[in-house]
Amino acid sequence: DAKTTQPPSMDCAEGRAANLPCNHSTISGNEYVYWYRQIHSQGPQYIIHGLKNNETNEMASLIITEDRKSSTLILPHATLRDTAVYYCIVRVGRGSGNTGKLIFGQGTTLQVKP
Amino acid sequence: DVKVTQSSRYLVKRTGEKVFLECVQDMDHENMFWYRQDPGLGLRLIYFSYDVKMKEKGDIPEGYSVSREKKERFSLILESASTNQTSMYLCASSFYAKGRARGPNTEAFFGQGTRLTVV
Repeated sequence: DAKTTQPPSMDCAEGRAANLPCNHSTISGNEYVYWYRQIHSQGPQYIIHGLKNNETNEMASLIITEDRKSSTLILPHATLRDTAVYYCIVRVGRGSGNTGKLIFGQGTTLQVKP
Repeated sequence: DVKVTQSSRYLVKRTGEKVFLECVQDMDHENMFWYRQDPGLGLRLIYFSYDVKMKEKGDIPEGYSVSREKKERFSLILESASTNQTSMYLCASSFYAKGRARGPNTEAFFGQGTRLTVV
């Protein structure tokens, strides 16, 4: 699976959009981009994933560049409860003969401030 | 709701003890994972299993072994606990990719973690 690079930390004002970047310049055509987050003292929680189109769900939006070498997770109206470590992961899809290994990087610690 | 349950939230063991960490999932997932999490190092994969009795090493398997005798249960074993194995241990599960229709792997679901202290 391709490696990802994320800034170690970011701040965001409450109520503003939080934009978390991720570089995955070695991503291959069958790899999906996944985002998870981990709130203090809890296990990581899935947020969203995508292949090449932008995606949106009730939690966040995912913007993937046209060359797929980077992506941005957007939390449109950050709240104090969004303070967490956010992980960007690339992972091969089904039918690729892979065994589903899931590797995390260091993540970005997002601090939402009042 | 998917549930991944780890047998203990907190555990204290002595150096040299054999330690078993148990994880059970109720969603018939093929994949199960064991990670450890340490400050400044993020989540590191120890072992994972993609089927009963099948396993693959992760990034840091040394000092650990695993057992997957039943689909729903994945055990992490510390053969002889050492103080450098003091850590938060997280279990996860997800569907297995191989043999299914093309598309993304399903998301992984995590347990609440076991904080192990080896003294």
